[in-house]
Order: sequence, then C-alpha cells, then structure tokens
Amino acid sequence: EAQVTQNPRYLITVTGKKLTVTCSQNMNHEYMSWYRQDPGLGLRQIYYSMNVEVTDKGDVPEGYKVSRKEKRNFPLILESPSPNQTSLYFCASKASRIQSGELFFGEGSRLTVL
Amino acid sequence: QQQVKQSPQSLIVQKGGISIINCAYENTAFDYFPWYQQFPGKGPALLIAIRPDVSEKKEGRFTISFNKSAKQFSLHIMDSQPGDSATYFCAASMSGNQFYFGTGTSLTVIP
Repeated sequence: EAQVTQNPRYLITVTGKKLTVTCSQNMNHEYMSWYRQDPGLGLRQIYYSMNVEVTDKGDVPEGYKVSRKEKRNFPLILESPSPNQTSLYFCASKASRIQSGELFFGEGSRLTVL
Repeated sequence: QQQVKQSPQSLIVQKGGISIINCAYENTAFDYFPWYQQFPGKGPALLIAIRPDVSEKKEGRFTISFNKSAKQFSLHIMDSQPGDSATYFCAASMSGNQFYFGTGTSLTVIP
C-alpha cells in the first residue's frame, strides 16, 4: 500500500529536549516536505526537499532542521523545542517530475511542548 | 502574512445544496492551485486542482472556478452530501516546490 508513515503520532515533551519526528514514504518520490497545522492558520510549510541531499526552507523554518540522506526518509528535528512549536505536524511527498503532482500526506504527528 | 486568503471559516449546508468556498491570492508567480480535503484525524488528501490557464475544472460534483484577473478561485460542491463534511483547504504553489495553504473551511452538511 502506497503510504507516508510518520512516527511518533503523539508526543508530549518538555522545553529544550531534542526530538525527531520521522517520515518515510514507499512511493519512490523525489520530493518530500513538512508542514505544521495550527487552528486559524491552516497548513504552513516548514521545509521541503526536491531530492536526496537537497533541502530548502519553506514559510516557517525557524526552530526546525531537516536532513535527506535517503530518498525514502525525511526526518524533522527540533533541536530545542519551545511551547510555540506545539502543533500538528504533517509530512508529505510527491513525484518531482510532475510539477503539479499530488501531495500525499501522512496521518500527522501531534506534538505538545510543555 | 497569509499568501492565500480563504473564506468562510465555517459553512453549514443542507443536504443537496451547493457549498461554495472562496480563495484569493496576490502572487502572480503561483502556477498551480489545488484543493485538499481533510477528515478528522487524517492527513489532507487532494480533491481537485487547476492551473491558471484554465477558467474552470469539473470532476464529478466538485468544480473549481478560476478568475486570473481577479486573482481568485473557488470550490463549488454540488448536491452536497453528509459525507462531504470535512475541512477544505485551498492552496497555491510555484514550481511545485513551495506550497501556501489557506486557513481552511470547516464544512458541515446537514442531512
């Protein structure tokens, strides 16, 4: 089954404790991206990657890091989480060769930072 | 600032009625305008999309109307059904890499 898998789905942590949210896709997609969803603000793009070792900032990259060492994986790293990073996070992928291709989203990771 | 403005924030429609959600943008570099549907506890899923060289696209009960000169586009859901109750997001993209989403519309279709 074609899917984007995120882990963990739920996480409660404390300010300053480094955490990583993993994202993996099995569709051989070149493009992957991360979003955060907040009430009243919709989805906002954090980072995107057009291929292995190629990443770029989205609209709200502050406080986040990413890496793309393998095609299938695109982890989101919060080096020192703060309460304003409490949010619902989504990873998505698409085939790069199709410029207007469909984004396939994971089921989300709900993060709470105390 | 919000690159894509979406309204209304919420919408209640009777079964069989027409649901209309509107979006507006400013950046003329946007070249792809998708709509995503999201059910509670799930990730968004592509519903329908349009490119700016087309004024209308229809897929089943869902239609996008696109007005390039006004920099506006809208989603029309004909014969709305309770199963259409979800949150809808419009979006705009440039070059298929950067995506900007609207703030979402929560649609409730009353039986």
